[in-house]
Amino acid sequence: SQQGEEDPQALSIQEGENATMNCSYKTSINNLQWYRQNSGRGLVHLILIRSNEREKHSGRLRVTLDTSKKSSSLLITASRAADTASYFCATDASNNNDMRFGAGTRLTVKP
Amino acid sequence: ETGVTQSPTHLIKTRGQQVTLRCSSQSGHNTVSWYQQALGQGPQFIFQYYREEENGRGNFPPRFSGLQFPNYSSELNVNALELDDSALYLCASSLGVGAGGLYEQYFGPGTRLTVT
Repeated sequence: SQQGEEDPQALSIQEGENATMNCSYKTSINNLQWYRQNSGRGLVHLILIRSNEREKHSGRLRVTLDTSKKSSSLLITASRAADTASYFCATDASNNNDMRFGAGTRLTVKP
Repeated sequence: ETGVTQSPTHLIKTRGQQVTLRCSSQSGHNTVSWYQQALGQGPQFIFQYYREEENGRGNFPPRFSGLQFPNYSSELNVNALELDDSALYLCASSLGVGAGGLYEQYFGPGTRLTVT
């Protein structure tokens, strides 16, 4: 079963705009990770945020985590056409060794 | 590009047949996880192997089985294939579990399985 739920399911923006994707989950977690997937290919790890962290940055990416609301957001600033991909959040539940993915947000960045 | 490789890239099988998919881990990684990704969905956890032992399993029937070898490469075996087994199968290697939970996973490009 899936743990995370991304919102929105699809997002279309113009190059240069910012893109925000949200993720909600159900159980307590050790950490939350964001991954990117280009069409039909393997996933690429973007950023990991631990349960005791609230915000993390990596280049144009900014991730926040609110454990009280069981939610996270991924912000991509100054988007580029090459950012077009599906983005998934994945949670590492406190009582499991598995990683649970949501259904993803499909981001399209128009040149 | 990660150092994780998978073979074959594509595979077509008939319902009822058996299939073996292979994964070579990134150097230094002792943990391999397998996922099934149906079209338009997120990856679903099948199982994880740590130092040749199964170390967690998702909600998949016993006809999904695996192996991890001493060099940490891995196989996913699926018996009695069903049409719904058609999906992208992803393996991911990692350093396993640390004090802060699971380490980041490095995914292979996947094997696209079609069952007819």
